[in-house]
Amino acid sequence: AQSVTQLDSHVSVSEGTPVLLRCNYSSSYSPSLFWYVQHPNKGLQLLLKYTSAATLVKGINGFEAEFKKSETSFHLTKPSAHMSDAAEYFCVVESNTGNQFYFGTGTSLTVIP
Amino acid sequence: GAGVSQSPRYKVAKRGQDVALRCDPISGHVSLFWYQQALGQGPEFLTYFQNEAQLDKSGLPSDRFFAERPEGSVSTLKIQRTQQEDSAVYLCASSSPGAQGFVLGYEQYFGPGTRLTVT
Repeated sequence: AQSVTQLDSHVSVSEGTPVLLRCNYSSSYSPSLFWYVQHPNKGLQLLLKYTSAATLVKGINGFEAEFKKSETSFHLTKPSAHMSDAAEYFCVVESNTGNQFYFGTGTSLTVIP
Repeated sequence: GAGVSQSPRYKVAKRGQDVALRCDPISGHVSLFWYQQALGQGPEFLTYFQNEAQLDKSGLPSDRFFAERPEGSVSTLKIQRTQQEDSAVYLCASSSPGAQGFVLGYEQYFGPGTRLTVT
């Protein structure tokens, strides 16, 4: 079975400092992995995805994530936080048939001015 | 272009009432998914359609939940005899324009959700 664990339920950073949101996955195969962001009263938006190509994936708004098979991790980073980054972030692993996503419990990011 | 739309955005139902939630996917998207998101949790899979065929309904929590997509476009999620534990945000997503069979690594495009409150 597939699953993801988001290691922090809340992360708080100062504006202009780096962001690190941690995600570990469990899968019996080489999975597709995604990060989605959810702003209040908005739909889920894709930040980036990994699909067995380059292990360092760049996404929108300056976010990137690195797939590390040996550590079963897919952590999300950004060099410099902006106030508009405050939101809920979800790490997602796809099923081996592509017919469902398994979401983590989410990490709430707060950016302090 | 237009994204995934859902209606109503908010629904309040008395316990025991039936509700129907609508999803309009992105035009041409073959795959359609429903998820349930409880407060403070990540979305959980309910069911999956490929065109009009419901290929996976393993996530539906009880036989009170029913989903359909009769013409392979708009979908409706129906909940009969609602209970308080059904209170959640119901998300619809669509994916895989023009693809058939199982495809991997495709982004799912999510609607804004319907917030259901059962009183």
